[in-house]
Amino acid sequence: DQQVKQNSPSLSVQEGRISILNCDYTNSMFDYFLWYKKYPAEGPTFLISISSIKDKNEDGRFTVFLNKSAKHLSLHIVPSQPGDSAVYFCAASGGSARQLTFGSGTQLTVLP
Amino acid sequence: EPEVTQTPSHQVTQMGQEVILRCVPISNHLYFYWYRQILGQKVEFLVSFYNNEISEKSEIFDDQFSVERPDGSNFTLKIRSTKLEDSAMYFCATKDGGSSYNEQFFGPGTRLTVL
Repeated sequence: DQQVKQNSPSLSVQEGRISILNCDYTNSMFDYFLWYKKYPAEGPTFLISISSIKDKNEDGRFTVFLNKSAKHLSLHIVPSQPGDSAVYFCAASGGSARQLTFGSGTQLTVLP
Repeated sequence: EPEVTQTPSHQVTQMGQEVILRCVPISNHLYFYWYRQILGQKVEFLVSFYNNEISEKSEIFDDQFSVERPDGSNFTLKIRSTKLEDSAMYFCATKDGGSSYNEQFFGPGTRLTVL
């Protein structure tokens, strides 16, 4: 089942620069797309989401862009900080219970 | 800030034994979920629970799994006869239903090891 895909298992960025994490999906019925951050031995922490009827949502340093025609979304972190180093999961909401379908995650490392 | 809690943090059991994983949701949340993550794999949906009944379940959630809210606060996942392949991190998640962000809040997880 590859309904949500994160093709980059890892990304390294210098502190202060922009981090761009990407996600692709195949199911047109997803209604929300969410980004979660996860540290080892902890549960996923919600960062930001976007409705399928929007194309951009911004919250502080985090911006999510949605391109429905390409079935692609991205998370931009500006400026990146060493504390941002974690695994980032893209997830999509759908189904009668709006359960989440997750991507495989991208390990972000922000270098000081 | 309210948070989802899970107990135990780590459970070791023998194959064939029953285990119960416990979750305390955020108090005003109405939707409850269980997910699992096998080491090196994606986080996978198991089951959702709303209004005291299962609202949706995945193909993973077979007859050996069950969920309940025994006392109106705790939310439990029971595995009747554990198998080696049940070894995974199990995450409880909850949602209040009224948020415009549709976010689910996750607990820290229970690491289940089946020997």
